[in-house]
Amino acid sequence: DAMVIQNPRYQVTQFGKPVTLSCSQTLNHNVMYWYQQKSSQAPKLLFHYYDKDFNNEADTPDNFQSRRPNTSFCFLDIRSPGLGDAAMYLCATSRAANTEAFFGQGTRLTVV
Amino acid sequence: DQQVKQNSPSLSVQEGRISILNCDYTNSMFDYFLWYKKYPAEGPTFLISISSIKDKNEDGRFTVFLNKSAKHLSLHIVPSQPGDSAVYFCAASAHMGGGADGLTFGKGTHLIIQP
Repeated sequence: DAMVIQNPRYQVTQFGKPVTLSCSQTLNHNVMYWYQQKSSQAPKLLFHYYDKDFNNEADTPDNFQSRRPNTSFCFLDIRSPGLGDAAMYLCATSRAANTEAFFGQGTRLTVV
Repeated sequence: DQQVKQNSPSLSVQEGRISILNCDYTNSMFDYFLWYKKYPAEGPTFLISISSIKDKNEDGRFTVFLNKSAKHLSLHIVPSQPGDSAVYFCAASAHMGGGADGLTFGKGTHLIIQP
């Protein structure tokens, strides 16, 4: 039944070791987003894809990259995770602008 | 600088009463507003939205009010039920000519419904 699926739910990675989080959707939505949410903070948009067009937020660190090989999948790559990157990472999709976004359950990233 | 502010980190309401969650925004370009509900260990779930051309939108027990001049919106839940206990996020979007923009979120309000 899940429409936006994030894997894994929990990820532990070592300081400086590259890590990839994945997201897939069955909604055939045009737009896919990645948000970072730290404890007691608002979810913060990192970047989004509108179809194949990549849109990076101005304050997203270069350490964060994304790939969208097809409509259904989107990946978040963290090249060299630091302790400050520990957070919940939320993937979301929407059909178009000004429509509601559907979120996955999130991936909780721990950096040790 | 927070563009969407939810000034109450938590709110406690008795079951059956009305819950009112508030949200303020500073960016006058925002023209679409949403409320999301989040349970622990789950992603946010869309609840209700409102476009800036309206001042009220109702869906069952949930009503969102928008006051553009005050840059303020509120979510009313009536009657409140135990299952409404969750964190509620206010979010806003600025639609700029056909592109897709992400949502700007507030920090959330933890609503606790007391039996």
